[in-house]
Amino acid sequence: DIQMTQSPFSLSASVGDRVTITCRASQSIRGWLAWYQQKPGKAPKLLIYKAASLESGVPSRFSGSGSGTDFTLTISSLQPDDFATYYCQQYNTYPYTFGQGTKLEI
Amino acid sequence: EVQLLESGGGLVQPGGSLRLSCAASGFTLSTYAMNWVRQAPGKGLEWVSAISGYRSETYFAESVRGRFTVSRDNYRSTLFLEMNSLKAEDTAIYFCARSAMIAGVPAHVDHWGQGTLVSVS
Repeated sequence: DIQMTQSPFSLSASVGDRVTITCRASQSIRGWLAWYQQKPGKAPKLLIYKAASLESGVPSRFSGSGSGTDFTLTISSLQPDDFATYYCQQYNTYPYTFGQGTKLEI
Repeated sequence: EVQLLESGGGLVQPGGSLRLSCAASGFTLSTYAMNWVRQAPGKGLEWVSAISGYRSETYFAESVRGRFTVSRDNYRSTLFLEMNSLKAEDTAIYFCARSAMIAGVPAHVDHWGQGTLVSVS
């Protein structure tokens, strides 16, 4: 199975900050990576797919990059609504594994 | 509008069985791969199982292989997860999730249900 490792595990930041979360795959997944945002008590929400494609309706302050084994999610200017937990997921090979999550706190 | 509505969760004793359902609407179920993803209390997301569209090929996480089965009724637009030999560590919210299809290949999850809670105790 492909292991997905996110860092950091948690992150404290302020409104207006630029934030970067990283995700590393245990083997190449080419560009088949998605990022999701989850708030407490809610289902996850798709932000980014194919490493860098922004899902429709997602604010442009979110961006993704990377290929192969190393990927990043960047939020250019944090807004109050962005404080949540973020997950990466590879969909190169079943099982489609998730990273362990990054909790973004105020 | 795509909607996924899970049901069937509840409290079950260790070793017991439970069948989850996911009613899909707003799209043709047979043309999409579908997933089950779970989240234990206070923990992260864990991909559990998937079933492909037309050929209904199935895939499972190692943690549930041999105990869980996944199936679909395209006529009734419903996805199922049959869970047997349940363990305490299967306690979680179970989400039904649709895979986007890229050139016929299952990709990222583009729609999620609200989840149903399974408690094994």
